[in-house]
Amino acid sequence: DTTVKQNPRYKLARVGKPVNLICSQTMNHDTMYWYQKKPNQAPKLLLFYYDKILNREADTFEKFQSSRPNNSFCSLYIGSAGLEYSAMYLCASSRTANTEVFFGKGTRLTVV
Amino acid sequence: LAKTTQPPSMEAYEGQEVNVSCSHTNIATSEYIYWYRQVPHQGPQFIIQGYKDYVVNEVASLFISADRKLSTLSLPWVSLRDAAVYYCIVTGDSNYQLIWGSGTKLIIKP
Repeated sequence: DTTVKQNPRYKLARVGKPVNLICSQTMNHDTMYWYQKKPNQAPKLLLFYYDKILNREADTFEKFQSSRPNNSFCSLYIGSAGLEYSAMYLCASSRTANTEVFFGKGTRLTVV
Repeated sequence: LAKTTQPPSMEAYEGQEVNVSCSHTNIATSEYIYWYRQVPHQGPQFIIQGYKDYVVNEVASLFISADRKLSTLSLPWVSLRDAAVYYCIVTGDSNYQLIWGSGTKLIIKP
C-alpha cells in the first residue's frame, strides 16, 4: 500500500477553535511532512518529522504544532484557528531524503 | 536555495506531445530535480526525478541540460486526464525540503 491517508477530507472550524488533522502511512517511511496549499499558490512546507525529530519552518513556528507518536501516524494541530488558516492541508511521506515523496489527498479546512 | 521558473500555463490537444520547461539557474551540485503534478482536489503526484542527462519512465521523459540549469518534462500522447498543474521542484539544502516552483497549468483540448 503506497498511499498516504488523511482524515477528514473536509473540515469546518470556527474562528478561535482548535483543529486537529490526522495522517497515516504504512510504507515505513522515516519522514512525514505537512504542507499548506492555497488556491493558485504552490504548496508551502509547514513542518516535517524525520523519525522522531520535528523540524518547523521559521515563519510558521508558532502557528502549527505536530505529533508523531509512532512511525505511521502524524497529526497537525492548530491551537486557535483564524480565517487565514483556510486552505488545503497536505500530508506527505518519504523513505528518506532525495527519494520520491508520496502525498495524501489532502484535508480541505474552512474556517468561519 | 535554488528557485525554479516555469511558464504559467500551456495548452495542447489530445494526442500531442507536450514539453514543459523549467529553469533552475542556481541549482547546487547536491540537488536533484523532481516533477510532480496536481489535479484539483488531489494531492501532488510524483512523475519523475533526475540529476543529469536523460531519464525516462512509463509516464514521462526528463531532459536536463548539460549545465543542469534547465530541464524539460516531456509527456507523450497527452489525454484529458493529463490536465493538471505541473510542478518542477529541486531539493533544498537540507535534502528534505522540496522547493516548489509556481507550476505550469496544462490545459488539454479535445
